[in-house]
Amino acid sequence: DQQVKQNSPSLSVQEGRISILNCDYTNSMFDYFLWYKKYPAEGPTFLISISSIKDKNEDGRFTVFLNKSAKHLSLHIVPSQPGDSAVYFCAASYSGTYKYIFGTGTRLKVLA
Amino acid sequence: NAGVMQNPRHLVRRRGQEARLRCSPMKGHSHVYWYRQLPEEGLKFMVYLQKENIIDESGMPKERFSAEFPKEGPSILRIQQVVRGDSAAYFCASSPRQAETNEKLFFGSGTQLSVL
Repeated sequence: DQQVKQNSPSLSVQEGRISILNCDYTNSMFDYFLWYKKYPAEGPTFLISISSIKDKNEDGRFTVFLNKSAKHLSLHIVPSQPGDSAVYFCAASYSGTYKYIFGTGTRLKVLA
Repeated sequence: NAGVMQNPRHLVRRRGQEARLRCSPMKGHSHVYWYRQLPEEGLKFMVYLQKENIIDESGMPKERFSAEFPKEGPSILRIQQVVRGDSAAYFCASSPRQAETNEKLFFGSGTQLSVL
């Protein structure tokens, strides 16, 4: 049972445009969400997170939006750069647990 | 480099052999987590350890897999009598405290295990 879903395995975006990566979850107990970025042959690196008490968190070119009623979050990257090309994983957890539940990832390709 | 260090980066084993994967957490981190990524899947939690203690191994297969984090030295994930289905990327992560709400994990570069 996949509790965190990233339904788009890949996405291509032109440099300078907005990239929108989506993530859906099924467990309403989740109250903390993260995005990790992964380059080939490297480990995932933390990108941005959001607590369920917020609906938006912004860090430079990266913004994460959380819609609790829809159990949906999205990562916006604007403007997209070729260096953003990587696999992006959405992850979720809930209070009192240390287990992060990861989605299957979306491969973003930013075209120069 | 004070990041999470994993070795080897690549490990090739024949069916039936043993695989040992090592992880040194970030300096100052005493909590270690192992995750496995099978092809075309997300990372899945395997085990959580503190120094000399296994806190939660609920994500680890009951047989052939074991993990330790001794007082001195790296954490070791051990897979005995490997089978082809064990082929995956194994990632180690660490945190300074138990990774509850608002605590992010720092991941190593992973060990790619290939079983022939």
